[in-house]
Order: sequence, then structure tokens, then C-alpha cells
Amino acid sequence: DTEVTQTPKHLVMGMTNKKSLKCEQHMGHRAMYWYKQKAKKPPELMFVYSYEKLSINESVPSRFSPECPNSSLLNLHLHALQPEDSALYLCASSQGRGQGNTEAFFGQGTRLTVV
Amino acid sequence: SQQGEEDPQALSIQEGENATMNCSYKTSINNLQWYRQNSGRGLVHLILIRSNEREKHSGRLRVTLDTSKKSSSLLITASRAADTASYFCATVNYNQGGKLIFGQGTELSVKP
Repeated sequence: DTEVTQTPKHLVMGMTNKKSLKCEQHMGHRAMYWYKQKAKKPPELMFVYSYEKLSINESVPSRFSPECPNSSLLNLHLHALQPEDSALYLCASSQGRGQGNTEAFFGQGTRLTVV
Repeated sequence: SQQGEEDPQALSIQEGENATMNCSYKTSINNLQWYRQNSGRGLVHLILIRSNEREKHSGRLRVTLDTSKKSSSLLITASRAADTASYFCATVNYNQGGKLIFGQGTELSVKP
């Protein structure tokens, strides 16, 4: 199984809502990431978890709250988002401590629209 | 923060032609990776080249790396309509926590 599964595929939420994005992998990878991608732009790193611990936070606003309940799961909790937060949110995983020494596997993303 | 610049930003070719995309970066790296993305979907890893390698092949893909010029190129030979996608280079520096930093990408269109 070389898949990273993200749910939901699409999400529309109001600015006062609380929602969560979910990501799951069963490749035994110990590094997992959240990226944000706006249209026609490259992915931008948000968070990195290494061995279930948050290792990198790219100065992401606190309305985005990551959580890694175990080595297979990664969540992104959303609260009080702004319309400019509308984007494709991508989850990825890779082997080992941190990323970069091997390839990253990406999920298909959650298309988030904030209204 | 973004590391790389890619050129061209967009490339349109006919099926069967070769497509070359270039990536330049600013800081030292440990490896450079190329990814493909179809229509705003997830990214798919194509190839990884380490800083001590100069050239690497995988099927119809050929990647070169010139660390003195801080640049890399991706060549797709005998392109197919199915190669239509956005292509991103991503650099890795272990001193930065090993994070992937993506270039701006090249949008490739292969016409049948």
C-alpha cells in the first residue's frame, strides 16, 4: 500500500465553523507533513511531524492546529478561517526522521473553500 | 519561502517532441527532487538526484544537476499527451530540517 489517503476531498466551511482534515498512511513512514497550495502556485510547507512530534511549524497562524495521534494518522484542525485560507491542502509522508533523504508520497488533497 | 525558479513557466509542445524544464535554486542542497502534478491533484515523485550526482535517468526522464551553477534540468523524451501536467523541482537541505522547498513549477501541455 503506497497511498496517502486524505478526507474529505472537498470541504466548504463558514468563517465561524470548526472542521478537521484527515490524512492516513500505512507505509510505516515516520515523517508526515501538511502543505498548502494556492492555484497556479507551488505547495508551501505548513507543518512537519517526525516520529509523532511536531518538528517544523512554518509560522502558521494558530487557526490551523495540527495533530498526530499516531504514526499513521495526521489531522489538521481548522477554526475561524478566513476566505484567503481557501486552497488545496496536501498531506505527505516519507520514511525516517524528517524528510528529504527519500521521496515524499502525497495524498490527493482536500480542496477547502471558506465562505 | 520558495527556493527555486523554474523556466519556462509554461511549455506547449507536440506529442513525440522532447520537453526540457529548468530549475535554479539559491542555497546549498543535499538533493533535488522532481514532482509532477495533474490538474491540482496530489504530487507524484518522479526522480531524486543527490548533490554528488550529475545525471540520472528513469525511463523517458533524464535529470541533470549542476551544483556549481545551482541548477537542474528535467528532460522528458518522446512526450505523450498524458505527460500534460505541472512539474515542480524541490530542493532539500538537511540543515533546514530536511524540508522540501518547491520551485514555481512549469506547466507542460503536450498536444496530440
